[in-house]
Formats: sequence, C-alpha cells, structure tokens
Amino acid sequence: DADVTQTPRNRITKTGKRIMLECSQTKGHDRMYWYRQDPGLGLRLIYYSFDVKDINKGEISDGYSVSRQAQAKFSLSLESAIPNQTALYFCATSDLGQGYTGELFFGEGSRLTVL
Amino acid sequence: AQSVTQLGSHVSVSEGALVLLRCNYSSSVPPYLFWYVQYPNQGLQLLLKYTTGATLVKGINGFEAEFKKSETSFHLTKPSAHMSDAAEYFCAVTKGQAGTALIFGKGTTLSVSS
Repeated sequence: DADVTQTPRNRITKTGKRIMLECSQTKGHDRMYWYRQDPGLGLRLIYYSFDVKDINKGEISDGYSVSRQAQAKFSLSLESAIPNQTALYFCATSDLGQGYTGELFFGEGSRLTVL
Repeated sequence: AQSVTQLGSHVSVSEGALVLLRCNYSSSVPPYLFWYVQYPNQGLQLLLKYTTGATLVKGINGFEAEFKKSETSFHLTKPSAHMSDAAEYFCAVTKGQAGTALIFGKGTTLSVSS
C-alpha cells in the first residue's frame, strides 16, 4: 500500500460544485502539503500544514480551503469549482526530525476536471 | 524569495547520449536542492538531493548533479541516456531550514529516441 494515499484519483465535476480531495499518510510525518500541477507551470503550492493546529497559505490559495483533521489526514476543498481549477493535484508529506532535509514524499495525484 | 529556473522545457537526446538538464536557483540563504522525476501517469519520485557536504551528488538510475554556488546552478546529468529515462524532471529548492516548503521549477520533459 502507498505511504501517501489520495482519493479520488480522478474526478469530473461541473462548475459551481463543491469538491473535496482527501489525503492520508502512514509515514508518521508532521508536515503535509497540497500542490497543483499544470502543464508548463510545474508544481505550485496551494496550502501546507506543519501540524494539526497549523495551516499556511501557499502561492495560489485563492479558491481553495484545507482541513487537517488529524496528523495523518489533510483534505483540500474547492468550495465552488471553476474550469481553471482543472489540474493534477498532489498531496505530499515531509518529516521534521533529526536529519531534516526538506524532502517531500508524494501521493499518486488526483486529476480533477471541472466542466 | 526563492525561485528555480529550468532552462529548456523540452530536451531530446538519442539513446546512449549524454543527458544534461539545467537548473538555476535563487536563494538568500544556503539552499537545499532536489531533482524529482515524474513518469507518465505517476507521482513524483526523488532522484537526488543536495543538503550539505559534497557538492557532487549521485542519485538513482545513474543520474548525478553538481551544486555550484558561484553559478547558482544544480544541473542534472547522466552519461548515457536510456529509453526508460523519458519523463518529466523537476528541480526544486528550499531554504534549508525547518519551516519552508519546496519551490519547484516548471519542469523539463526529456525525450529519448532510439
């Protein structure tokens, strides 16, 4: 089983609908992140969380919200989806402990299409 | 602010040829640098990373990269390309301190022809 699991893996929805992407991890890491990937733009940071009580905006947080339900769970919500939110979304984790390197561990991605 | 520039959105090589993917970074503090690879329809996998110490870093699948502070570069190389190396490659930087997320470049797609 994957250490970082994203659900759903694929989702097609309509403009205006509320969408939630979920991420769970078994790595025991404190830090979790949501990135968005668009062709030619690389990965851009949406939100990140360093522990359950800590939520931080990334460079493109407008139109998104997050919830850190537990150390192992971090969900991303689109309150009212719009077509330009069509993208591949990645959840990632990192550890903060001895030997910290900043390395991210990624899930398989959630492909979202907004019609 | 930190940033990463990957020169060339698409690089094409022949099988057996040298692979060179370029990455330049901007950071106000000593950086930690990474190369990730993304195969089609998959997530991102770490190829290699530089944190401190030796500036020539070896990674998986025969790839290596050299941190050059004077040139603010972290170029990725492989002496001999294989068809299985065809993928998208991302360079990333972080401040090297606890408390920051990775900043990624826009990616370089590597094509390998026979």
